Amino acid sequence: GAVVSQHPSWVICKSGTSVKIECRSLDFQATTMFWYRQFPKQSLMLMATSNEGSKATYEQGVEKDKFLINHASLTLSTLTVTSAHPEDSSFYICSAISQDTEAFFGQGTRLTVV
Amino acid sequence: DAKTTQPNSMESNEEEPVHLPCNHSTISGTDYIHWYRQLPSQGPEYVIHGLTSNVNNRMASLAIAEDRKSSTLILHRATLRDAAVYYCILSRGGATNKLIFGTGTLLAVQP
Repeated sequence: GAVVSQHPSWVICKSGTSVKIECRSLDFQATTMFWYRQFPKQSLMLMATSNEGSKATYEQGVEKDKFLINHASLTLSTLTVTSAHPEDSSFYICSAISQDTEAFFGQGTRLTVV
Repeated sequence: DAKTTQPNSMESNEEEPVHLPCNHSTISGTDYIHWYRQLPSQGPEYVIHGLTSNVNNRMASLAIAEDRKSSTLILHRATLRDAAVYYCILSRGGATNKLIFGTGTLLAVQP
């Protein structure tokens, strides 16, 4: 199957700083990418839908100014957690789709804010 | 989005078949049924999807009820590597729409 890669796999940052997570589709052009967040022992929660070259669509309750999403090319989307706080510590997962394919997920990024 | 209902957990023995049920009584005519699984500390992995007819692939089979209000994911011979959370998800409007995850079924496989 297609490969979606996230970087970094894990990151620790200080409270108040910003963290950028990259999501790349390595062998296909992703028309749409999705960002999810997952807290321990919970399911994935969709945060936003990102289409190349346009603004992301955020799910209800997700602060767009705190979670900045950029999708500048068909193979790269980035999620920036701005002014991170301990409650933002979570497992962040991206997925990518192309025309008529299933969704391919990245391996996830574990963010710890201290 | 239409809701799915799955058992919280199931157990199986290694090398035996596993039938994971999913109820989706409010499914609409254009909803696809997707199954993904997630191993600990990893992103979800695609398993199978279907619309009306039963589907088979190298990983599993998907049996869809005639009224489409329920479906069953079948792992023909469970292995220890199949231990994961299995999610049954409906996606409206086509095979590649956004996926809203429910709570899933935690499958334990005993040696």
